[in-house]
Amino acid sequence: QVQLQESGPGLVKPSETLSLTCTVSGDSISGYYWSWIRQPPGKGLEWIGYIYYTGSTNFNPSLKSRVTMSVDTSKNQFSLRLSSVTAADTAVYYCAREEGGATYWGQGTLVAVSS
Amino acid sequence: DIQLTQSPSFLSASVGDRVTITCRASQGISSYLAWYQQKPGKAPKLLIYGASTLQDGVPSRFSGSGSGTEFTLTISSLQPEDFATYHCQQLNSYPFTFGGGTKVDIK
Repeated sequence: QVQLQESGPGLVKPSETLSLTCTVSGDSISGYYWSWIRQPPGKGLEWIGYIYYTGSTNFNPSLKSRVTMSVDTSKNQFSLRLSSVTAADTAVYYCAREEGGATYWGQGTLVAVSS
Repeated sequence: DIQLTQSPSFLSASVGDRVTITCRASQGISSYLAWYQQKPGKAPKLLIYGASTLQDGVPSRFSGSGSGTEFTLTISSLQPEDFATYHCQQLNSYPFTFGGGTKVDIK
């Protein structure tokens, strides 16, 4: 059974960098695309971008200047960094495996941006 | 970006009802559309991909249809566990985008 688990700080100060890691268990990270998706409280879903296990990426242009993603196949993990955060970045952040749709999801982690 | 418009945004229905949700794309996306179910406090769950292919383990009362710009998700006989919010997502072109969601509530 494939499982994903997000980890990282639940509170980030404005202008700082949000950093999250997704740990994959039950299958290898190799061979798949891995996405980050977020959902502000009470609102809809927003695709942040994906990273292939080789390290190639594709980001939402609305966030592209602030987003970095990386993958560590030895640890079966991939990561998200979002710089210069504001209150508008407060959301539940999900990691997911992409296969023509996001088939496996983490439980999500709420990240609040506040001083 | 491709805009996805879901309708209705909210619907009230009873157990056993047939429910249809529509997702319209601002431009053609072939069949690159997925449907998700999301319950409060939980991650979305993939129901349908490729516009009409049922994900493994999803009950057959769920079905999807459409191509191009208009798509539908149908629940043939609504069950108590189906009360949730449903989202569509296009995977035809970047950035992948989601519809605004349809909340299905108990009448």
